[in-house]
Amino acid sequence: SQKIEQNSEALNIQEGKTATLTCNYTNYSPAYLQWYRQDPGRGPVFLLLIRENEKEKRKERLKVTFDTTLKQSLFHITASQPADSATYLCALDMSGANAGKSTFGDGTTLTVKP
Amino acid sequence: EAGVTQFPSHSVIEKGQTVTLRCDPISGHDNLYWYRRVMGKEIKFLLHFVKESKQDESGMPNNRFLAERTGGTYSTLKVQPAELEDSGVYFCASSQDGWETQYFGPGTRLLVL
Repeated sequence: SQKIEQNSEALNIQEGKTATLTCNYTNYSPAYLQWYRQDPGRGPVFLLLIRENEKEKRKERLKVTFDTTLKQSLFHITASQPADSATYLCALDMSGANAGKSTFGDGTTLTVKP
Repeated sequence: EAGVTQFPSHSVIEKGQTVTLRCDPISGHDNLYWYRRVMGKEIKFLLHFVKESKQDESGMPNNRFLAERTGGTYSTLKVQPAELEDSGVYFCASSQDGWETQYFGPGTRLLVL
C-alpha cells in the first residue's frame, strides 16, 4: 500500500543548529514533492516544491533534496531560529489524472530552543 | 492580494444536524481543493474542482458530503446528516494551475457532538 512517513513526530534542536526533517515514501511515483509549514490553528503554508528530475532546491535558509531512488526527501533549515518552530508537512503529487491531489505525511513538529 | 478564506472558523453541531462550510479561493484561481484532517491523522484529499466542474471527488468519504462550486468562484461543502466521525479540520486550497502550488485557507474546525 502507499505510505508516506515523516521521520518523527517531534524534533527538538538548539537555536543556530541545522534542522533536518525526513520524508520517506513507498509505492508512489510522485511528479513532485512539496514542503509546507503549519502553525497551530492555521492552514499549511507552502515553502518549497521540488520536481522528480531535480536533486536539490534552495530558498534562503531552506534546502530540500529529493532522491527518487531512495524514495526520500530531506528538508533542512540552517541557522535555525525559535521562530522556525512549527509543524512541517511533506506532500506528494502525481502527474496526469491525479495531478493536484496532494497526499500528505503526518508532519514533524520542530521546536527550536533559544 | 487576499488569500484563501474559509467560513466559519469553528462549528459545533449535534449528530444528525447539517453544516455547510464555505471557501473563497484566491481570485483568478480556477482550481479549488477540499481536504480534511481528522484527529490524529494526516491531511487527506477530499475533492478537486476546476472552475465549476468536479475534476476528482475520489476522496469524498460518503454521500453525506456534497460539494458545490456554482459559477466557479466560491465553494461550499455540506455535511448532511453529520456524524461523530466527521469531526476534524476542513481545509480549502486553491491554485492557478492544477499541478503546482496550492494555497491553503485557515481551515474550519468542525466538532460533531
